[in-house]
Amino acid sequence: NAGVTQTPKFQVLKTGQSMTLQCAQDMNHNSMYWYRQDPGMGLRLIYYSASEGTTDKGEVPNGYNVSRLNKREFSLRLESAAPSQTSVYFCAILGQGNYGYTFGSGTRLTVV
Amino acid sequence: QQQVKQSPQSLIVQKGGISIINCAYENTAFDYFPWYQQFPGKGPALLIAIRPDVSEKKEGRFTISFNKSAKQFSLHIMDSQPGDSATYFCAASRAGGGADGLTFGKGTHLIIQP
Repeated sequence: NAGVTQTPKFQVLKTGQSMTLQCAQDMNHNSMYWYRQDPGMGLRLIYYSASEGTTDKGEVPNGYNVSRLNKREFSLRLESAAPSQTSVYFCAILGQGNYGYTFGSGTRLTVV
Repeated sequence: QQQVKQSPQSLIVQKGGISIINCAYENTAFDYFPWYQQFPGKGPALLIAIRPDVSEKKEGRFTISFNKSAKQFSLHIMDSQPGDSATYFCAASRAGGGADGLTFGKGTHLIIQP
């Protein structure tokens, strides 16, 4: 998953706590995405950013906020974590002539 | 609404056999169909992809077959090896991705028995 770095790799939160998941890319691409992966559900799009300062909701945006302050970084924030947000979160970028997507290695989040 | 349906959910194949995973899509605006391979604890990695102007694409032991009229595509893994044991996802997107990004199937857990 070279080119897309996610931090942290693991996190345990208590219900109601907040945290920010970080994603950074060094591939100079505009489009960035946040997905969540749940068993038997595949990957579902949370938020999308076409460029610095722009974001759009995906399929499952409730409970999340995002920030794209520069071209390189796209962060996902949970303001008040809930057990239903226990999941593996992946950041992705779109490159390769507007077709190839590259994923980070993921953040495994558990909310207790 | 599930726009990409994947089957089977799990699959066990003997070493040296052929693994076949199928997907069907609904949105005719899709024009990019990748397959991703995911190992435990890792992110999805692009395996092979096809666009609808061709009916088949082969890369080594991996082949995508595409049927535009039926809105179906499949992954064939020839001479399956234990190292191919992983979860496979089909996906689809429109040109340029956009706010929809990739739409994924629910995944197939493939086990290759030695």
